[in-house]
Amino acid sequence: GAVVSQHPSWVICKSGTSVKIECRSLDFQATTMFWYRQFPKQSLMLMATSNEGSKATYEQGVEKDKFLINHASLTLSTLTVTSAHPEDSSFYICSAREDLNGELFFGEGSRLTVL
Amino acid sequence: AQTVTQSQPEMSVQEAETVTLSCTYDTSESNYYLFWYKQPPSRQMILVIRQEAYKQQNATENRFSVNFQKAAKSFSLKISDSQLGDTAMYFCAFLQYNFNKFYFGSGTKLNVKP
Repeated sequence: GAVVSQHPSWVICKSGTSVKIECRSLDFQATTMFWYRQFPKQSLMLMATSNEGSKATYEQGVEKDKFLINHASLTLSTLTVTSAHPEDSSFYICSAREDLNGELFFGEGSRLTVL
Repeated sequence: AQTVTQSQPEMSVQEAETVTLSCTYDTSESNYYLFWYKQPPSRQMILVIRQEAYKQQNATENRFSVNFQKAAKSFSLKISDSQLGDTAMYFCAFLQYNFNKFYFGSGTKLNVKP
């Protein structure tokens, strides 16, 4: 079946540094990908919708300059957490919508810990 | 804006028994999709079942079935013959027809007891 790969699955960084998380659809094309944030024991919060070849659409309250999203190809979207701080520590999940039938597939998630 | 409500933060069921998880949603749209996702401790989101709003027939997938009440905006999940591997967080989700946004409920933690 369709697979979405996220990398890295776990990253620890120092406060002030930037971290890039990749979301890749391995066997299908995805014009649209979504980025979510999940705090412990909470639901997934939609951060932004990433569209290939155009700017991402951010949800209210999500800082565009803080969470940079790039969707350079039909199989890859990246989320860069710029100047990360401890409060950015969270579990980040991406999902990719298959162009062919609209099916949505989730990545394995990336746990970010900012020291 | 669409909202998805799961009123049961946690539920328990004995192995082999049946359990129903509740979900209600609010929308002004007539065409949309509804989903139930399972998130085990591994955190990987797994699709359990989906329902198109234009279909009156309730979706079923083996031991999983839904009770979709469009007028009441209710979308409950029934798990029959519960298994230990069903232990997980379950999220109800709403997808706009144009696939623009995907909204999740707060989740229900299901514990299947041996």
